[in-house]
Amino acid sequence: KAGVTQTPRYLIKTRGQQVTLSCSPISGHRSVSWYQQTPGQGLQFLFEYFSETQRNKGNFPGRFSGRQFSNSRSEMNVSTLELGDSALYLCASSPGTSGGRGTDTQYFGPGTRLTVL
Amino acid sequence: AQSVTQPDIHITVSEGASLELRCNYSYGATPYLFWYVQSPGQGLQLLLKYFSGDTLVQGIKGFEAEFKRSQSSFNLRKPSVHWSDAAEYFCAVAHTNAGKSTFGDGTTLTVKP
Repeated sequence: KAGVTQTPRYLIKTRGQQVTLSCSPISGHRSVSWYQQTPGQGLQFLFEYFSETQRNKGNFPGRFSGRQFSNSRSEMNVSTLELGDSALYLCASSPGTSGGRGTDTQYFGPGTRLTVL
Repeated sequence: AQSVTQPDIHITVSEGASLELRCNYSYGATPYLFWYVQSPGQGLQLLLKYFSGDTLVQGIKGFEAEFKRSQSSFNLRKPSVHWSDAAEYFCAVAHTNAGKSTFGDGTTLTVKP
C-alpha cells in the first residue's frame, strides 16, 4: 500500500496570503489528522477529520481550517498568513475502525514545509 | 489536561552503547502511548505502541519500551545503538479519540562513532 502523501512538499508564501495543503491518506483509512511542527512549540494538533466531519479541533485560530472529501483526501487551509505560521505541517491517517478510541495507529506523511516571508 | 514530558532534550551515546529515553505522561484514563522517530526533514515513523496487557512492548529496529503505571512513565530502550539511530524521538499519548495525540517536545539522539 502506498503511504500517506502530502503536496506540495515545500511552499513559500508572503504574509497576508493564503495557502492550501493537501493530504492523501493510506487507502482505506477514514481518519485524517493535521499537526503543526515548529522548533518553538513542537508538535501541535490542529484538527482531525473522520468521514468528512471534523471530529476534533486543537487550539488554533479560525484562520486555520480544513475539510475532508468523500475519498478521505483532506485539505488544510491557512488564510492571512503570518510569519509565525512557518512550520512543517504533518498529516496523519488512521483506519478509524476502533470507534475513535486511542488504539488507532496513525501513519504520518512526510510533511509540507511552509515558509512565510 | 493531558501532557507528555520528555526530560532530556538532547542525548549523546556511543555506537554500541545502550540507550534509554525517558517519557512521563499525565493522563486521567487508560493511556494509549506511542514512540515515534523522526529523521531530519521527514515525517514521523511509529516505533512501538502500548494499549494494554504486557507492560514491556517490542517495536521495530530493536527498540522496546516499558509502561510503568506507578511512575507514569513509558521509557524507550535499545540495548545497542547504531549510527543510523541518530534522529529525534517523540513520545505521545493518544486521547480517547484516536486522531488527536499529544506529543512530548522530543529528544534528539546523537550517536558518536
